[in-house]
Amino acid sequence: AQSVAQPEDQVNVAEGNPLTVKCTYSVSGNPYLFWYVQYPNRGLQFLLKYITGDNLVKGSYGFEAEFNKSQTSFHLKKPSALVSDSALYFCAVRTGTSGGYNKLIFGAGTRLAVHP
Amino acid sequence: SQTIHQWPATLVQPVGSPLSLECTVEGTSNPNLYWYRQAAGRGLQLLFYSVGIGQISSEVPQNLSASRPQDRQFILSSKKLLLSDSGFYLCAWSWIAGSYEQYFGPGTRLTVT
Repeated sequence: AQSVAQPEDQVNVAEGNPLTVKCTYSVSGNPYLFWYVQYPNRGLQFLLKYITGDNLVKGSYGFEAEFNKSQTSFHLKKPSALVSDSALYFCAVRTGTSGGYNKLIFGAGTRLAVHP
Repeated sequence: SQTIHQWPATLVQPVGSPLSLECTVEGTSNPNLYWYRQAAGRGLQLLFYSVGIGQISSEVPQNLSASRPQDRQFILSSKKLLLSDSGFYLCAWSWIAGSYEQYFGPGTRLTVT
């Protein structure tokens, strides 16, 4: 079965320090992987995706993610955290069939808290 | 550019009352459309998806239904709400081919009392 796991309910980091939010996946075939961010009472915002190519993917707001096929991981990273990065982060994997149907499976989410 | 709208933003409804939530997408044509429910501010549950007008697929059996009367309009409905229908409802769209990410609307907070 295809799945995605976010092993940490919450990640705490001091402002200015690097941050990592972890994600591991299990899919058959090539993985299509995504990161989203959600601020309170808002919809999810797309941050970045890995489809193919370079293992390091750059996205919005200074975030990047590293795809590691051998470890089946797609961790989200940022070199220097901001208090405004505090939010709920979701990893997702595409499981849809061909023909344009893009079904995503989402992880349970990781709450990032950046402290001043 | 594309935008996605949902309304209402918040809704408080008594048990047993009907429900209609609306989602519209601008700036694209023939998108895939999705309804999700998010409970307790965490995981997302896919409720319905649609690949075209009148084409609705349900992911889980439940008290809700969906319709797509126009290409860029997606409606979530219920004839009689249950307490368990409370939650944050999110609509999303994606391109039918090429790019695979989904883009989400601002959501509707539904409280059933």
